[in-house]
Amino acid sequence: SQQGEEDPQALSIQEGENATMNCSYKTSINNLQWYRQNSGRGLVHLILIRSNEREKHSGRLRVTLDTSKKSSSLLITASRAADTASYFCATDGPISDYKLSFGAGTTVTVRA
Amino acid sequence: DTEVTQTPKHLVMGMTNKKSLKCEQHMGHRAMYWYKQKAKKPPELMFVYSYEKLSINESVPSRFSPECPNSSLLNLHLHALQPEDSALYLCASSSGGTETQYFGPGTRLLVL
Repeated sequence: SQQGEEDPQALSIQEGENATMNCSYKTSINNLQWYRQNSGRGLVHLILIRSNEREKHSGRLRVTLDTSKKSSSLLITASRAADTASYFCATDGPISDYKLSFGAGTTVTVRA
Repeated sequence: DTEVTQTPKHLVMGMTNKKSLKCEQHMGHRAMYWYKQKAKKPPELMFVYSYEKLSINESVPSRFSPECPNSSLLNLHLHALQPEDSALYLCASSSGGTETQYFGPGTRLLVL
């Protein structure tokens, strides 16, 4: 079942600009993860943020988590053409049962 | 080595054929997954193996038959598929139920 919802569905930005996408979910979670997928290939894990964390950084990526609002955001700073991809948030459930629920995804296009 | 490999990369099969998809990981992960992904949609969980035992079957039709011969290998046997089964099939593995999942590049399946 799809728990996460993402917005916007699509985003087009100029190289060098920042890209922000949001994810909302419905039930309590242990962790929230962000993945990137290039052009119908496998998903690449970007970052995992635990429910007791509020912000996490990895290189040009910044993820925030607000468990009271059941929402997360992914910020990509100083975007590059290579960041063109679909980005998915994924949440687990309150029970650690191996299931990840993926959001619908945000398609990001970075124009040179 | 954080790589999950999948073979074949592409597969075309008729509705009466029998074929198998293969997945391999050497990260010592105890959980392995099969996902199905249609174009412009998020991945949908099909099966989860934990410690080589099937722990989750998301009500997948019996024409899909998973197998986990050992802790490193995961197969998906296909028989009498329908054209609507055409999709990208992704394998993933993880060290635990709420941890990062590492995805393979996928097998793009076309059923004629």
